Amino acid sequence: QKEVEQDPGPLSVPEGAIVSLNCTYSNSAFQYFMWYRQYSRKGPELLMYTYSSGNKEDGRFTAQVDKSSKYISLFIRDSQPSDSATYLCAMSGAGGTSYGKLTFGQGTILTVHP
Amino acid sequence: GAGVSQSPRYKVTKRGQDVALRCDPISGHVSLYWYRQALGQGPEFLTYFNYEAQQDKSGLPNDRFSAERPEGSISTLTIQRTEQRDSAMYRCASSSGGRPQETQYFGPGTRLLVL
Repeated sequence: QKEVEQDPGPLSVPEGAIVSLNCTYSNSAFQYFMWYRQYSRKGPELLMYTYSSGNKEDGRFTAQVDKSSKYISLFIRDSQPSDSATYLCAMSGAGGTSYGKLTFGQGTILTVHP
Repeated sequence: GAGVSQSPRYKVTKRGQDVALRCDPISGHVSLYWYRQALGQGPEFLTYFNYEAQQDKSGLPNDRFSAERPEGSISTLTIQRTEQRDSAMYRCASSSGGRPQETQYFGPGTRLLVL
């Protein structure tokens, strides 16, 4: 079983829809949770970062972390065609040499059609 | 400013050959990371450096894989005696420091194909 599980989709939604993307994880040592966006033939770029449990909002994007359930989510409001990409969750531990090691989910392919 | 650069962008090699993949991080970035990304998968951690020191190499698949960053800037990932299963996108990332809250900036990757 992988440490981080993410439904690969693909997910197809109409423009303006609310999108929900999710990951589950098994390693209780994970403390830092990120969402990366990857456009086709490009490297991943950081979208949002959250430490421990709670919510974080940035414009149309909201990240949620529920450590008790080992479950994280990314919500996209008023989705746009430009949001079409692969969304990757990533996680990291809190100490020692695990600092720099990101563990990624498989990625969810999202298409927002006009 | 310039981002992370990697070379070559594409590498085709025959099974059994050695390959060297280069990463040039963002200027001044202390930490440098190597990942491997298979098609349709997320990046898989290989190793990372703070300055010239290799902090964690737990993700290197076997002893055919090695990495170095001798002067704390450019890094080279070397794969000896390549095998077809080594074919993948190899990505490098850098961050200003080694803390997880510091953004890792990814390069465009090197697509390796082993025939």
